Amino acid sequence: NAGVTQTPKFQVLKTGQSMTLQCAQDMNHEYMSWYRQDPGMGLRLIHYSVGAGITDQGEVPNGYNVSRSTTEDFPLRLLSAAPSQTSVYFCASRQITGEKLFFGSGTQLSVL
Amino acid sequence: DAKTTQPTSMDCAEGRAANLPCNHSTISGNEYVYWYRQIHSQGPQYIIHGLKNNETNEMASLIITEDRKSSTLILPHATLRDTAVYYCIVRVEGSGGSNYKLTFGKGTLLTVNP
Repeated sequence: NAGVTQTPKFQVLKTGQSMTLQCAQDMNHEYMSWYRQDPGMGLRLIHYSVGAGITDQGEVPNGYNVSRSTTEDFPLRLLSAAPSQTSVYFCASRQITGEKLFFGSGTQLSVL
Repeated sequence: DAKTTQPTSMDCAEGRAANLPCNHSTISGNEYVYWYRQIHSQGPQYIIHGLKNNETNEMASLIITEDRKSSTLILPHATLRDTAVYYCIVRVEGSGGSNYKLTFGKGTLLTVNP
């Protein structure tokens, strides 16, 4: 199993541009989530999903959209990037009643 | 959810045991203690979790005090590869257990020295 795969690893955007961060998992996990991590900070939950067609907001959802059309994929969309969204983004997944959260290797995003 | 308090940083000599403390004095009876670690530039990695009893797995041991107000993560023989930020997290067992969310604080930076 590849686990949780995130693409791209690095991205530079200009203010106002849009982009989608991709996340895929091959473990048949129902629960998937997106976190952001800023320097010196812990991880903050952006959005999460407990299954295809079901998403909900975390603690910092503003400026981000998600959808879950399949069990495997959970993309994160930035509709109009802002410098405040410069961060490292992590996708994570687990079984719906699982104890372990599995993380991807992260996407480093810079918004100029 | 109960908050946790961890030291900002700790040092440990290679080959010695690393004992990482965590205070969670407001923990409730149904709240689990989790530990994750994050090696530089990588995604966090699950280590261990527990409710009341001490737990041990291939990575570490978790010691929870009898009043459950604090816990200690023990890495029995630390190596240089154990240098990482260690997060102590308390989570509530929600209804059905499916929607629990983990809140990661700033953690403890453990530096293992040669």
